Amino acid sequence: DAGITQSPRHKVTETGTPVTLRCHQTENHRYMYWYRQDPGHGLRLIHYSYGVKDTDKGEVSDGYSVSRSKTEDFLLTLESATSSQTSVYFCAISEGLAGVRNEQFFGPGTRLTVL
Amino acid sequence: DQQVKQNSPSLSVQEGRISILNCDYTNSMFDYFLWYKKYPAEGPTFLISISSIKDKNEDGRFTVFLNKSAKHLSLHIVPSQPGDSAVYFCAAISSGAGSYQLTFGKGTKLSVIP
Repeated sequence: DAGITQSPRHKVTETGTPVTLRCHQTENHRYMYWYRQDPGHGLRLIHYSYGVKDTDKGEVSDGYSVSRSKTEDFLLTLESATSSQTSVYFCAISEGLAGVRNEQFFGPGTRLTVL
Repeated sequence: DQQVKQNSPSLSVQEGRISILNCDYTNSMFDYFLWYKKYPAEGPTFLISISSIKDKNEDGRFTVFLNKSAKHLSLHIVPSQPGDSAVYFCAAISSGAGSYQLTFGKGTKLSVIP
C-alpha cells in the first residue's frame, strides 16, 4: 500500500468554524489531490498540488483552501464550515510523470460532519 | 456536464459468472482510463488501467476494453467472486493538460451473490 495517511479520520464540527484536514505521504510523489465523495456524485476534485507551494483549483473549490509547504504534507482548510461540506474527504497522490502510468493512490479518508 | 458516465448505479451477478461494468465518456481529450474499486469506509484502490493507444488490457480476472470511436470502456471480471462486491469507479485523464487530474464517474455498486 502507498504510504498515505489522513488525519483526523473522523471529525464533527459546528457551522462557521474553521477546519483543517491533513494528508501525509511517504512516497515522495510530486502530485497530491483532495477529493470529496458524496452520494450520487462520485469523487470530485477540490484542489490539487503539483509541487511545494504550487496548487490549483479543482471542480468544487469554493469554500476550501489548501497549502503545501513540504513535499509530504498537503493541508485542506475549510475556512468557515457549512453543512454542505459534510462529506468524506480523500487525499490522493501520484507521480505525475509524462509517459508513465498515472494512477493515483488514495488515503483512507476523513469523515467530516458539520452540524 | 458529466464527462464520465456510469449509467448503472448497481449490478448484481452470481458468483462464478461474468461481471461487466460500463463507462462512457464525452471528452475526446481523455487519453488514459482507470478503474478503481472501493469498499465501504476505505479509500479507492487502483484496479486496472488502459491507455488510449490500446483497446484491451488484461490483469488476471480483470480485463478492460476501450472503444475509442464509441467513447466507451468496460471492465470485465471473470469469474466473479463475493470479494469483488464493492463500488467500482471509472476515471479518465487528459494527460496533455499537464495536471493529471482524474475525472470520475459516479460509480457502480457490484454485488456478487454466492
